[in-house]
Amino acid sequence: QVQLVESGGGVFQPGGSLRLSCAASGFIFSNYGMHWVRQAPGKGLEWVAFIRYDGSNSYYADSAKARFSISRDNSKNTVSLQIYGLRPEDTAVYYCAKDRLAAPPGLLDSWGPGTLLTVSS
Amino acid sequence: EIQMTQSPSSVSASVGDRVTITCQASQDITNYLIWYQQKPGKAPKFLIYDASNLETGVPSRFSGSGSGTDFTLTISSLQPEDIATYYCQQYDNLPLTFGGGTKVEIK
Repeated sequence: QVQLVESGGGVFQPGGSLRLSCAASGFIFSNYGMHWVRQAPGKGLEWVAFIRYDGSNSYYADSAKARFSISRDNSKNTVSLQIYGLRPEDTAVYYCAKDRLAAPPGLLDSWGPGTLLTVSS
Repeated sequence: EIQMTQSPSSVSASVGDRVTITCQASQDITNYLIWYQQKPGKAPKFLIYDASNLETGVPSRFSGSGSGTDFTLTISSLQPEDIATYYCQQYDNLPLTFGGGTKVEIK
């Protein structure tokens, strides 16, 4: 069955950078778009970024456009989220999620357990 | 950006009660509406897509309805395992946007 496992979270200082990764298995990874969604402690869900199945296009929330970069490696079945210039407000659980459809994107049918990023000095 | 407004923010009901949650979009999203269930400390679980289609394996006491801008999630007979926060999400347009969530508790 579909399995998604995020990694790379932890405690980081403001201004730093990090790369979150998501390892996928149980489906043909190169056929599906992938998303990152975050959830600040005690808050709701916020979509962050999407990358098409072949990596040809990526899309970002306004809050992520300047400092986030999504990428994928279809040979390794992984999707990544690079975050630059970390801010305390980036503190959240970051989930990767698989998209069921080619279009329109956004039917997130499988989610990983999430990785917690804490930005604090 | 399409705004999604959910209500109520929390609901307390007895086992066996009917629970209704509403979600309103700021513009017409046809039926591109998903409902998720999230239990504490867990990832969201995909329940309903295209406003009214039940995902495989989801109990039939869950149902969704609506189109355009107004949508409803109904739990016909609340069970203890349904205690969770429920979110709607539109996928008519990027950026994807979620409702603020409805916390369902047992009275």
